[in-house]
Amino acid sequence: EPEVTQTPSHQVTQMGQEVILRCVPISNHLYFYWYRQILGQKVEFLVSFYNNEISEKSEIFDDQFSVERPDGSNFTLKIRSTKLEDSAMYFCASSVEGADQPQHFGDGTRLSIL
Amino acid sequence: AQSVTQLDSHVSVSEGTPVLLRCNYSSSYSPSLFWYVQHPNKGLQLLLKYTSAATLVKGINGFEAEFKKSETSFHLTKPSAHMSDAAEYFCVVSDWTGANNLFFGTGTRLTVIP
Repeated sequence: EPEVTQTPSHQVTQMGQEVILRCVPISNHLYFYWYRQILGQKVEFLVSFYNNEISEKSEIFDDQFSVERPDGSNFTLKIRSTKLEDSAMYFCASSVEGADQPQHFGDGTRLSIL
Repeated sequence: AQSVTQLDSHVSVSEGTPVLLRCNYSSSYSPSLFWYVQHPNKGLQLLLKYTSAATLVKGINGFEAEFKKSETSFHLTKPSAHMSDAAEYFCVVSDWTGANNLFFGTGTRLTVIP
């Protein structure tokens, strides 16, 4: 069964540095998402992406964050000038389309900011 | 606005006994509702979804959930717990803006006692 894959599984970065989290969505999916789960808290929506542009973003997704689909297969989340509070598990998801279509999640990238 | 409330942060059952994980939702529209499971150090796996078809939804691994509009509930059940069911379970509602953003509950940790 096709899967969403995320790399790396664990990223350790110094505060203030830039980090790029990578995702390969399922190949025939059209909608792409990033979610964040801070340790001990609920999973939070960050951003959705469709047709090469952001569909919607949450209040969390400020100018520090950006997303890109550089080559038709990868979907990346860039965090500029990381802060301690960016430490979290970041999940990528994709879906075929439509509000009743389930999203398929990757195993996540654990981001640790030192 | 859409939201879900998971009424129990932790549920503990003996192996072979029934499982009940409770979820109430709030939605301005007829909602799409999902249950996801997260095993330790793994991503989020879809258990089942409700999208305005049958109110009793059957999912994987013997789980099912019943949509009750009058009670705004979508509780997850399983007749007989297995050790492998021990995990974190999330009740999720979909945003009907078209971008299909998901709103997660705070999760219920299920412990299965041998």
